[in-house]
Formats: sequence, structure tokens, C-alpha cells
Amino acid sequence: DMKVTQMPRYLIKRMGENVLLECGQDMSHETMYWYRQDPGLGLQLIYISYDVDSNSEGDIPKGYRVSRKKREHFSLILDSAKTNQTSVYFCASSPGQGNTLYFGAGTRLSVL
Amino acid sequence: QQKVQQSPESLTVSEGAMASLNCTFSDGTSNNFRWYRQHSAKGLEVLVSIFSDGEKEEGRFTAHLNRANLHVSLHIREPQPSDSAVYLCAVRNSNNRIFFGDGTQLVVKP
Repeated sequence: DMKVTQMPRYLIKRMGENVLLECGQDMSHETMYWYRQDPGLGLQLIYISYDVDSNSEGDIPKGYRVSRKKREHFSLILDSAKTNQTSVYFCASSPGQGNTLYFGAGTRLSVL
Repeated sequence: QQKVQQSPESLTVSEGAMASLNCTFSDGTSNNFRWYRQHSAKGLEVLVSIFSDGEKEEGRFTAHLNRANLHVSLHIREPQPSDSAVYLCAVRNSNNRIFFGDGTQLVVKP
């Protein structure tokens, strides 16, 4: 069963706290992505990972970092979260670059 | 940078009537187009992919591509209330970057 799993689904944090969003996929896809989705702004690419320890900034990387130590796992880290990082975060994976993206169900993060 | 624009922002159709969604893009070297659907509070699922001019059908979903006009459309035949969702157009350019439109909110009334 092809699946992208995101944990947690919902998260509430206070400003200044650290946040860890986790994503796993069981399809051995090389490429993984983190997006955030905000009303009126659509999906914005935060980071893309081409494989283990091969990560590149997307369009809005400021305030975020990522970690990919295993092909099936890609983490998004917010060091000292800010209120403007309140959003829905989606992880996705794809075989190679630019092919069909398989999305997780999203993590709804609120930073108070 | 590639611009992907979708219209209309929202669309309401009656069950069984054809639904047509539009997407324009700015980079004429784009070579790979997909339509995704997003049900409320859920992730995206791919509906149809198209790579050359003409049409591509996947069940009740048909994509039409006209690269000269920088336009790709999605037509949903016999839409059902369960098709109510946000539909997003995704365009890949020659650098393998994927750009998404802001989506069309489709409501299908019984």
C-alpha cells in the first residue's frame, strides 16, 4: 500500500518553542518535499530532498530546516517557532524529480 | 519564475452537469502537467497527468493541453457531490520544478 504518513496531524505550540514534523513514505521514493499551504497563497515549497543528506531550499526556506538520514523519512524542524508559521504543512514524495507527487494528509500547526 | 493561475476561483455545478476548470501557465518550456484534488483537511491525490498537446482521459476526468496557448483544462463528466473539493493544477518546467496554482473550489449540488 503506497503511503505517505505525517505525524502529528495536529500540533499547538507556543512562540519560541521548537517544532518537529515528521514524514515517512513506504515507496522508496528518492525525492521528498515539504510544503506549507495558506489561504490565498496556495502551496509553497519549503524544502526538497533528492535523497539521503541531499537537500535543497525551496521558495520559502527561512525559519525552517530539514533532515533526511534515511530515504523513507524526512523531517521538518522549526527552531523557535513564530506565529506566522501557523499553517498546514504537507509532505510529499515522488519517484525521481517532477513526477507524480504522493501527499501525506498534512499537519495543522498552530503557533500561539 | 513560473506563474500558474487557475480559474474560476470557485465553481458550483449540479450533479450530472459537466464541470470545466482552467489553468494557465507562463513558462512555455513546461512539459508535464497534472491535476490534483484535495478534499477538505486532507492531502492531495493525482487525477490525471498529461505531457503532450491534446487530451488525456482518466475515468470521468479529462485533461486538455494546448501548450501554444499556455493552457491546460480539466473536465469532469457527470460530477457527483463526492467530487466537491479543491482542484489544483501542477505544472513542471524544464528544470523539473513543480509549480501549483491556487486551486478551484468545486461544489457539486445534488
